[in-house]
Amino acid sequence: SQELEQSPQSLIVQEGKNLTINCTSSKTLYGLYWYKQKYGEGLIFLMMLQKGGEEKSHEKITAKLDEKKQQSSLHITASQPSHAGIYLCGAATNRDDKIIFGKGTRLHILP
Amino acid sequence: GAVVSQHPSRVICKSGTSVKIECRSLDFQATTMFWYRQFPKQSLMLMATSNEGSKATYEQGVEKDKFLINHASLTLSTLTVTSAHPEDSSFYICSASRTSGGRNEQFFGPGTRLTVL
Repeated sequence: SQELEQSPQSLIVQEGKNLTINCTSSKTLYGLYWYKQKYGEGLIFLMMLQKGGEEKSHEKITAKLDEKKQQSSLHITASQPSHAGIYLCGAATNRDDKIIFGKGTRLHILP
Repeated sequence: GAVVSQHPSRVICKSGTSVKIECRSLDFQATTMFWYRQFPKQSLMLMATSNEGSKATYEQGVEKDKFLINHASLTLSTLTVTSAHPEDSSFYICSASRTSGGRNEQFFGPGTRLTVL
């Protein structure tokens, strides 16, 4: 069955610093999603990557998908308190839209 | 962007009662809807996939008689937690899928927090 490993599980970063969150799949991905969640709230869509080697950016967040389509990284530049939350990677392994999630990375930003 | 709503946002019920949660895609027709649950400090776990007009497909370990899913239209899916017990207390999130520009996009609702006393 599809498994997604996210690392680190938790991250504490000083405001202004850069950080990277990784997501690794045991199988080749059809699509890789990144979401952000404040605990107890819904998910905020960040980015979707579908092609090997694809890279997308939105404001200070950049996500990449490797050529083999099994690993993705989310990079935040010059982190801000508003970046704090839980980051979830989700993977679709075929065209049936079903997304399986990793366990998430809790990001804390220190002022 | 597309909007998905859930109702209610919070519900508290007594053990043994049934609770219905609605998921609506407000400005698009969703080919497929999904139901997830999330325990405190854990990730989302997919419960079932719902297609309009057909029976839902449940993930392994999810009781179909316990979690009844009805997908009556392309904009509405409901999840009914039957004979709820305290262990069913959780955060339930739905998502709705649509195809745009050849890509499948999935949009999530804000979630429903269920507390069973």
